Amino acid sequence: DTVLTQSPALAVSPGERVTISCRASESVSTLMHWYQQKPGQQPTLLIYLASNLESGVPARFSGSGSGTDFTLTIDPVEADDTATYYCQQSWNDYTFGAGTKLELK
Amino acid sequence: EVQILETGGGLVKPGGSLRLSCATSGFNFNDYFMNWVRQAPGKGLEWVAQIRNKNYNYATYYAESLEGRVTISRDDSKSSVYLQVSSLRAEDTAIYYCPASTGHWFAYWGQGTLVTVSS
Repeated sequence: DTVLTQSPALAVSPGERVTISCRASESVSTLMHWYQQKPGQQPTLLIYLASNLESGVPARFSGSGSGTDFTLTIDPVEADDTATYYCQQSWNDYTFGAGTKLELK
Repeated sequence: EVQILETGGGLVKPGGSLRLSCATSGFNFNDYFMNWVRQAPGKGLEWVAQIRNKNYNYATYYAESLEGRVTISRDDSKSSVYLQVSSLRAEDTAIYYCPASTGHWFAYWGQGTLVTVSS
């Protein structure tokens, strides 16, 4: 299995820039995608193929990376961005990272 | 508007079986692969199964950890997908989602249905 490693939690202040990282145990090319899950809700797609913004997602969100190292950036962070963020690869079946919980100070 | 509604969850005894259903609307169901993804309470997301569309001969794929205990199927005439799960264990307790995918990313998600395995 391709294992995806994410930092467990981050705390930032509104208006700041935050980067959430995801490292794959093997190269996944650009087959990396990002989701946001707010408490009690289903996940929603933010970024597909490493850097493509899903329709309707604010331009404050962006993604980058290839191979094994990927980043989701939110700039600037807003209060509504409090959520858990998951990366997901589709190079080798489908696996998700354990999620990064973003809290606002 | 895309709508995905998962149903069929509930309380099941260990060793029991369950059939989950997922009804969809608002997108061209025939163009999409359909999946089941689950999330144990307070935990992360785990892909369970995928069924491709007619263009791919309805090929099915399963997570190794569940293979042999789950069967995914779809009914294009009803824009619906199903998951049969057998030999249920406590660790199968989770919210089960049925997202639609392009084959790489999961584009549309429903609210999920909760399966609780307990005696």
